[in-house]
Amino acid sequence: DVKVTQSSRYLVKRTGEKVFLECVQDMDHENMFWYRQDPGLGLRLIYFSYDVKMKEKGDIPEGYSVSREKKERFSLILESASTNQTSMYLCASSFESSYNEQFFGPGTRLTVL
Amino acid sequence: RKEVEQDPGPFNVPEGATVAFNCTYSNSASQSFFWYRQDCRKEPKLLMSVYSSGNEDGRFTAQLNRASQYISLLIRDSKLSDSATYLCVVVNNAGNMLTFGGGTRLMVKP
Repeated sequence: DVKVTQSSRYLVKRTGEKVFLECVQDMDHENMFWYRQDPGLGLRLIYFSYDVKMKEKGDIPEGYSVSREKKERFSLILESASTNQTSMYLCASSFESSYNEQFFGPGTRLTVL
Repeated sequence: RKEVEQDPGPFNVPEGATVAFNCTYSNSASQSFFWYRQDCRKEPKLLMSVYSSGNEDGRFTAQLNRASQYISLLIRDSKLSDSATYLCVVVNNAGNMLTFGGGTRLMVKP
């Protein structure tokens, strides 16, 4: 059974803080993705990665960066958190090609005060 | 115009009813489509793929209309457990990104 885990379910940070969101998958998937989900806007892709040390910008990369040092781990970094980054963050992974099913983690609800 | 648009609902239907949702997409070159399901406060999970010839899985039927650029999901004999948000998903031309619709919320009542 595929498992995607995220480091925290709930996180509260202050404006200007550096925030790390961690995601780990146990199925040896090549692809990993970070989305944010907001009411009325749906899921929006922030960054994705096809391989270790590789990253590609999604639709809304501004204010975020990512790191993929190991195949199973994909980190999302908010260099200086802002209130408009308050959201639900979802990590996903899949085998090669987006034509394959994406498996999502449980999400991290981040609140920036 | 959004790339992928859905009626947010909610669609309130009684148990046993048949309900259908549509989803429109803007890129006529899109080739692959999916429906995902998301329960309240849970992560999205793949419900079914949408093939050009249509796709049926039990009570669920997905259809693609390329001429009008929409996909549909039909649920027959609705169950209480079908209550969820249904997300329409379109794969981009390069096949490397998914674009999600905002979701349609379904509430099945006893």
